[in-house]
Amino acid sequence: EAGVAQSPRYKIIEKRQSVAFWCNPISGHATLYWYQQILGQGPKLLIQFQNNGVVDDSQLPKDRFSAERLKGVDSTLKIQPAKLEDSAVYLCASSPLGGTFRGSTDTQYFGPGTRLTVL
Amino acid sequence: SQKIEQNSEALNIQEGKTATLTCNYTNYSPAYLQWYRQDPGRGPVFLLLIRENEKEKRKERLKVTFDTTLKQSLFHITASQPADSATYLCAFYSSASKIIFGSGTRLSIRP
Repeated sequence: EAGVAQSPRYKIIEKRQSVAFWCNPISGHATLYWYQQILGQGPKLLIQFQNNGVVDDSQLPKDRFSAERLKGVDSTLKIQPAKLEDSAVYLCASSPLGGTFRGSTDTQYFGPGTRLTVL
Repeated sequence: SQKIEQNSEALNIQEGKTATLTCNYTNYSPAYLQWYRQDPGRGPVFLLLIRENEKEKRKERLKVTFDTTLKQSLFHITASQPADSATYLCAFYSSASKIIFGSGTRLSIRP
């Protein structure tokens, strides 16, 4: 079974520029997550999709970050314009269910991440 | 505000000993929690899951406990090996599917 794919693996940009990340989840997984992981910290959830719909985007800085999941499969995360504090690893994960059902549990499968450096 | 705290210091122990990692939470009602392992340059990998009504779960050399009174989960690795060296993350899932990760504990096992 293929894992979660992400590209690019590394990206260096200057502040105020735009950048986009791509994620291809495990086939058949209903839920897709984007996380931001700053060096030395745990992953912080930015947005969670259940199929095409957004379940949680409460921590997404919507003035500069946007994400979409077309046709409930691949997803892109965009930052426009980037700031210095956006330097981090951006992790994509997918899960079969999404952990939204009382009494059920779910496991996330993570991609390798994209390391973004903003100069 | 909701808060998840893990051992902030790195944990350094001798091979063969039991490593114990701690995850504490406040202002949060988890439905279940999970422990993940993260190696440098890689995404986290799932290890164990425990529900709110369970006290203990085991998998090979791994054991996790969940105490809702103390608001704490402990993660144990018995007979530790240098290959167990990594960062370990706890993640809490609420019944409303809110997910919060701890900051992680870096574990080093010396031969």
